[in-house]
Amino acid sequence: GQNIDQPTEMTATEGAIVQINCTYQTSGFNGLFWYQQHAGEAPTFLSYNVLDGLEEKGRFSSFLSRSKGYSYLLLKELQMKDSASYLCAGMDSNYQLIWGAGTKLIIKP
Amino acid sequence: ETGVTQTPRHLVMGMTNKKSLKCEQHLGHNAMYWYKQSAKKPLELMFVYSLEERVENNSVPSRFSPECPNSSHLFLHLHTLQPEDSALYLCASSQAWTSVLGTGELFFGEGSRLTVL
Repeated sequence: GQNIDQPTEMTATEGAIVQINCTYQTSGFNGLFWYQQHAGEAPTFLSYNVLDGLEEKGRFSSFLSRSKGYSYLLLKELQMKDSASYLCAGMDSNYQLIWGAGTKLIIKP
Repeated sequence: ETGVTQTPRHLVMGMTNKKSLKCEQHLGHNAMYWYKQSAKKPLELMFVYSLEERVENNSVPSRFSPECPNSSHLFLHLHTLQPEDSALYLCASSQAWTSVLGTGELFFGEGSRLTVL
């Protein structure tokens, strides 16, 4: 079956770095997405990886290893506004998104 | 502001009521989606419309009835719901259903929080 695994909750300190891991099993692979969702708000797109390696976008970076079925989202210089849920989703060969349950990130001062 | 607007934001209904959720997108996209989001569970895809035609129905109970009158509007009609249907219902749109164009990014609305008593 198809599955996405990510930690349920993580805690980090303002100004620090945090890495949110995601492992995936999909029927075929057409890319890995990360979305951010603040409480009571719409999920918003953060990143898309389809090739191995690290993609950097400001304070956020996303990494993909297709051979390991593994991705992570790296957040640097954490700010209080980064407190949110982070959703990992893999796209299968039929272009269907398989979603993880999300990682709730709590930032402490 | 994501360009996708959902109303109402909150809805409380009894099991015998009939209500509708509305979604409107201002992005000129060709595909629209309904998702169900329950606490600590993955997003569940319910329906997909591409160019106003339903292309996906993921074994959703018939008490949920979608309607897509044009490419900018999507409705979810609700009747005789169960308490376990209480959840956040998210509408989303994308440039194309098969996502072969660009990254296939989804644009979500803020959701309609549904409580069934």
